[in-house]
Amino acid sequence: GQQLNQSPQSMFIQEGEDVSMNCTSSSIFNTWLWYKQDPGEGPVLLIALYKAGELTSNGRLTAQFGITRKDSFLNISASIPSDVGIYFCAGQWGAQKLVFGQGTRLTINP
Amino acid sequence: DAGVTQSPTHLIKTRGQQVTLRCSPKSGHDTVSWYQQALGQGPQFIFQYYEEEERQRGNFPDRFSGHQFPNYSSELNVNALLLGDSALYLCASSWGAGTSTDTQYFGPGTRLTVL
Repeated sequence: GQQLNQSPQSMFIQEGEDVSMNCTSSSIFNTWLWYKQDPGEGPVLLIALYKAGELTSNGRLTAQFGITRKDSFLNISASIPSDVGIYFCAGQWGAQKLVFGQGTRLTINP
Repeated sequence: DAGVTQSPTHLIKTRGQQVTLRCSPKSGHDTVSWYQQALGQGPQFIFQYYEEEERQRGNFPDRFSGHQFPNYSSELNVNALLLGDSALYLCASSWGAGTSTDTQYFGPGTRLTVL
């Protein structure tokens, strides 16, 4: 099935460091979403972006909707242990299906 | 305000059997989408239900079917199970399939194991 290109696939960082991950697509979307998934759980919505160029923050998380509508990035500042998990980007066109990236697994060393 | 709920949490079946998974959407939502998530992968879209009809379908065989009830809850049925059907099945709800900004919220999923 169709997937977005999400990178990096995994990250190993020290607590307190900043994190950056991104997602690219060959197709344009009019909505970009970032989800976090803990083991055995469903994805939890972190940030939704609805407009090209939009920059949105949610606490220590900041995400941007690329101006070409084919990419998005997520930054996490001053990471803490509870940030551990798998982060997924997802693109959406209108009310159509979500297309997900492969995920970025974040591991934090205390 | 109850979020998206799914049942059962876990399920073990053998090849060739049939399975039914259930989903209740978040309060106020009328659209249900189903996704399959294999281990180590992102979720893959199966289909979406709105107004008790299948509105969109992903690249899944006819063995995968669904239903939406008048109270907006939904079922996913899989016939003739294969080993490759083992996955986490996720239900997501949203409002108004015809609008352009309906954000999807996910349930905890049903872990299906096919032996």
